[in-house]
Amino acid sequence: GQQVMQIPQYQHVQEGEDFTTYCNSSTTLSNIQWYKQRPGGHPVFLIQLVKSGEVKKQKRLTFQFGEAKKNSSLHITATQTTDVGTYFCAGRVYYNFNKFYFGSGTKLNVKP
Amino acid sequence: DTEVTQTPKHLVMGMTNKKSLKCEQHMGHRAMYWYKQKAKKPPELMFVYSYEKLSINESVPSRFSPECPNSSLLNLHLHALQPEDSALYLCASSRGRSAGTAIEGGELFFGEGSRLTVL
Repeated sequence: GQQVMQIPQYQHVQEGEDFTTYCNSSTTLSNIQWYKQRPGGHPVFLIQLVKSGEVKKQKRLTFQFGEAKKNSSLHITATQTTDVGTYFCAGRVYYNFNKFYFGSGTKLNVKP
Repeated sequence: DTEVTQTPKHLVMGMTNKKSLKCEQHMGHRAMYWYKQKAKKPPELMFVYSYEKLSINESVPSRFSPECPNSSLLNLHLHALQPEDSALYLCASSRGRSAGTAIEGGELFFGEGSRLTVL
């Protein structure tokens, strides 16, 4: 069945270092979204990518969608302690509009 | 602040109890979701309502019974749960298909969740 794999599972960085998490889908996606969940909180939407090869930036965050629409990445430049949390990708497929396929998440810890 | 409101925030129940989780949104969204999340795991889809009709049931045990009384409300009725059902239950909503094409379908707005403990 449809799966979205996400790596790494955990990442510990020193404040100021960069961070990247990767998602890979077993099938072509119609779009992919990214969510952040702070410790003890709920997932909060960050961004949606739709087009093949799309790149979007939000301040220190850069999101990419692969040419084949099967993979995506989130890169954070110069991490801050406020970036702590778990980052999930969530892919949508063309044939099942209401279902989001969540990656397993990458937990980011930032040491001050 | 989240625009999806869930009550109660915390619930402790015995295995013979009957309880309900409630969710409300006033964003005019036509798709509503129940997710279950265990510690250190991603949200796991349970049910989806689209235009107040159940469109997805992810083979959830019958001790969980969803209900969508109207386009703003979503309930999850709980009966005879097991300790392994203890988890964070998240409600979410999204615009739904009529807002545009599948590509424009919009993101999930999650509530803060109901933390359920089954004794």
